[in-house]
Amino acid sequence: GAVVSQHPSRVICKSGTSVKIECRSLDFQATTMFWYRQFPKQSLMLMATSNEGSKATYEQGVEKDKFLINHASLTLSTLTVTSAHPEDSSFYICSARGQGAPDTQYFGPGTRLTVL
Amino acid sequence: KQEVTQIPAALSVPEGENLVLNCSFTDSAIYNLQWFRQDPGKGLTSLLLIQSSQREQTSGRLNASLDKSSGRSTLYIAASQPGDSATYLCAVLSGNTPLVFGKGTRLSVIA
Repeated sequence: GAVVSQHPSRVICKSGTSVKIECRSLDFQATTMFWYRQFPKQSLMLMATSNEGSKATYEQGVEKDKFLINHASLTLSTLTVTSAHPEDSSFYICSARGQGAPDTQYFGPGTRLTVL
Repeated sequence: KQEVTQIPAALSVPEGENLVLNCSFTDSAIYNLQWFRQDPGKGLTSLLLIQSSQREQTSGRLNASLDKSSGRSTLYIAASQPGDSATYLCAVLSGNTPLVFGKGTRLSVIA
């Protein structure tokens, strides 16, 4: 099946710094990518949807200036958490959907962000 | 807007028991429904995917059913084992929208 990778798998940073998380589709072209956030013992909450070459669509309550999403190619999307604060500590999971399989989302392994 | 509900939120059973996890969704116009497993601190593992035209899917000791008209799905786990302990998430795909997840059921199988 299709593979989605995320890097890094775990990151610890100081408050006020920015962190970039990469999401790659390894063996298919991802026309659409999704970013989810999961707090401890909570379910996955969609943050934003991005289509290659277009601006991301953010869910209500998600600050687009704080969570910068770039989907510059059909195999790479990045999420940058700017000026991170401890409340941004969470598990971030990306997901990708390909043109050939519009009814299937493939998930990355997630990135654990801890902001000190 | 699609909403997915999972009942119960948590479940603890002795090893060997058969169990059922429930999932309901508000909009029956779905493409498919998927069950995932998530271990603590880990990503998602897809267990079963049921297309809207299907009634059930089976994989080993797992059986998932779908009643689209009533907006319900169940995940049946036979002869549960301690290794089945995890959070089970139900997710629904509708139209061109991303997967919508339920809050999950945390399962503990006691040896």
